[in-house]
Amino acid sequence: DAGVIQSPRHEVTEMGQEVTLRCKPISGHNSLFWYRQTMMRGLELLIYFNNNVPIDDSGMPEDRFSAKMPNASFSTLKIQPSEPRDSAVYFCASSLSLYEQYFGPGTRLTVT
Amino acid sequence: GESVGLHLPTLSVQEGDNSIINCAYSNSASDYFIWYKQESGKGPQFIIDIRSNMDKRQGQRVTVLLNKTVKHLSLQIAATQPGDSAVYFCAEMGGGGSNYKLTFGKGTLLTVNP
Repeated sequence: DAGVIQSPRHEVTEMGQEVTLRCKPISGHNSLFWYRQTMMRGLELLIYFNNNVPIDDSGMPEDRFSAKMPNASFSTLKIQPSEPRDSAVYFCASSLSLYEQYFGPGTRLTVT
Repeated sequence: GESVGLHLPTLSVQEGDNSIINCAYSNSASDYFIWYKQESGKGPQFIIDIRSNMDKRQGQRVTVLLNKTVKHLSLQIAATQPGDSAVYFCAEMGGGGSNYKLTFGKGTLLTVNP
């Protein structure tokens, strides 16, 4: 099992640019989560999908953030336009039971 | 709002010693607790979990204790090894209908000295 796959692993972009982060969950898992990790705020849930449907997006910071899950094997998190305060590590996690969530390696985003 | 809290402690132990990492939580409605290990440059990795109807659960070299009276959770690692060096997070779930939402503490850095 390859685990949760995220790409890119590192992204450096300039303020105002669009950023797209990608996630492939573990095959067979029906729940997908996007988290953001910063030193100041720790790990925060951004959005939760169940069976490809967004269930809770209350953690999405603002309208600049959007997430999609067009099928069971792919999800994207988009930031447009990006700002320096969006710099963080973004994790995708998937689960079958909701309880045991398997995290990907993360995407380290730097916005200059 | 309510949160799971770790106050950024650092724990340094000698290889072979037992380690105890503590966590205080504030949401008495939470019914599920998990410990995650995060190594540098990697995502959090599930270690062990416990439900609120239990007070102890054991895994391989790890034990989680739950004290609901004082809302305290601990992770015990037996015979700590250098490979155990990482940041450890406790997380809670449940209560208020959000039976999918993990609320993470801020983490404890465990350093194992050879």
